Amino acid sequence: DAKTTQPTSMDCAEGRAANLPCNHSTISGNEYVYWYRQIHSQGPQYIIHGLKNNETNEMASLIITEDRKSSTLILPHATLRDTAVYYCIVRGLAAAGNKLTFGGGTRVLVKP
Amino acid sequence: DVKVTQSSRYLVKRTGEKVFLECVQDMDHENMFWYRQDPGLGLRLIYFSYDVKMKEKGDIPEGYSVSREKKERFSLILESASTNQTSMYLCASSGMGESYNEQFFGPGTRLTVL
Repeated sequence: DAKTTQPTSMDCAEGRAANLPCNHSTISGNEYVYWYRQIHSQGPQYIIHGLKNNETNEMASLIITEDRKSSTLILPHATLRDTAVYYCIVRGLAAAGNKLTFGGGTRVLVKP
Repeated sequence: DVKVTQSSRYLVKRTGEKVFLECVQDMDHENMFWYRQDPGLGLRLIYFSYDVKMKEKGDIPEGYSVSREKKERFSLILESASTNQTSMYLCASSGMGESYNEQFFGPGTRLTVL
């Protein structure tokens, strides 16, 4: 799997957009970018994924640069409940057996 | 709303006891996973299953076994619990193809072995 680099932590004001960057300069052509988050004392939660095109769902938007070496997860209107650790993962479509590997992630604190 | 449920949120057991952790998913997913999560070590895969009665070892299978008799249920068994198995245990499930990496996690079971 391609290695990812994320900032250790960031603060965000409630109601504002939160932009979470991720660098994955060694990504290969068949690898997807996945985002998960983990709220304290809960299991990880899938957010969104993409290959080349930008993606949007009810939780967030994912912007992938044209060279695919970096991406940004956007939480359009952050709420206090979005306080969590956010993980960027790069993976290919796996045959049975591969696991998700969560790196350090970005600890996001949404402040009132 | 899709759901992965785990039998207990908190569990306290004694050294040497046999421990069963149950996980049920209602998404008709083929793949199910058991992880443990420890501070500073991230998520580590214990076992996974890609079909009924099928199981594969993950990174840290020692001291654990699993059972998948029905598609929706994946059980983790600690044959003889030890204090170093005190951890948060997370179950997950996923579909096939592009959705393989969209893993849905349960709330976790925090196990303490005394």
